[in-house]
Amino acid sequence: QKEVEQNSGPLSVPEGAIASLNCTYSDRGSQSFFWYRQYSGKSPELIMFIYSNGDKEDGRFTAQLNKASQYVSLLIRDSQPSDSATYLCAVIQRGSSYKLIFGSGTRLLVRP
Amino acid sequence: NAGVTQTPKFQVLKTGQSMTLQCAQDMNHNSMYWYRQDPGMGLRLIYYSASEGTTDKGEVPNGYNVSRLNKREFSLRLESAAPSQTSVYFCASSEAGTEYEQYFGPGTRLTVT
Repeated sequence: QKEVEQNSGPLSVPEGAIASLNCTYSDRGSQSFFWYRQYSGKSPELIMFIYSNGDKEDGRFTAQLNKASQYVSLLIRDSQPSDSATYLCAVIQRGSSYKLIFGSGTRLLVRP
Repeated sequence: NAGVTQTPKFQVLKTGQSMTLQCAQDMNHNSMYWYRQDPGMGLRLIYYSASEGTTDKGEVPNGYNVSRLNKREFSLRLESAAPSQTSVYFCASSEAGTEYEQYFGPGTRLTVT
């Protein structure tokens, strides 16, 4: 079992809709979770992080964490074609302060 | 302020050849990283450096060596390239204390034939 799993997609949503991206992780002791966005042919960039159960909002983005069920979600409200990218979920490896374990990413396509 | 720069952008090697991928950052970050990204595999850490003169193996270090030349520069060397090392290589850096917030370079696309 991979430590961080994501559906590869593509997830296709119409412009203006809510895009919901999901990620599950295997280590129940994981504490810190991150979402990176990667445009095609470009490098990843950090867009959200969450440590506590519940929701964390930043503009059109909401990260949701459920430690009991071991999943992390990223919601994108009012999706725009410019949101079309691959979204990488990552967790800090337990016992490390720096080792990020990345999922393989979900490709999001927002249709105009 | 260029952020993280990598050279070259593209490279084709024959099996057995060697090469060094260069990385430099101008953000005065202590921590630097080398990752590889393969289709369906996500980003995998090859090596990490917490500071000048220190390095630590990541998830997939075999076949690679690194050198933290100074605070700015972190190079990755392939001594004898193999087709399995065909990948996109990213260098990243971060500040001490916020290692999760990593700033990535533009990547090097390496093909080994």
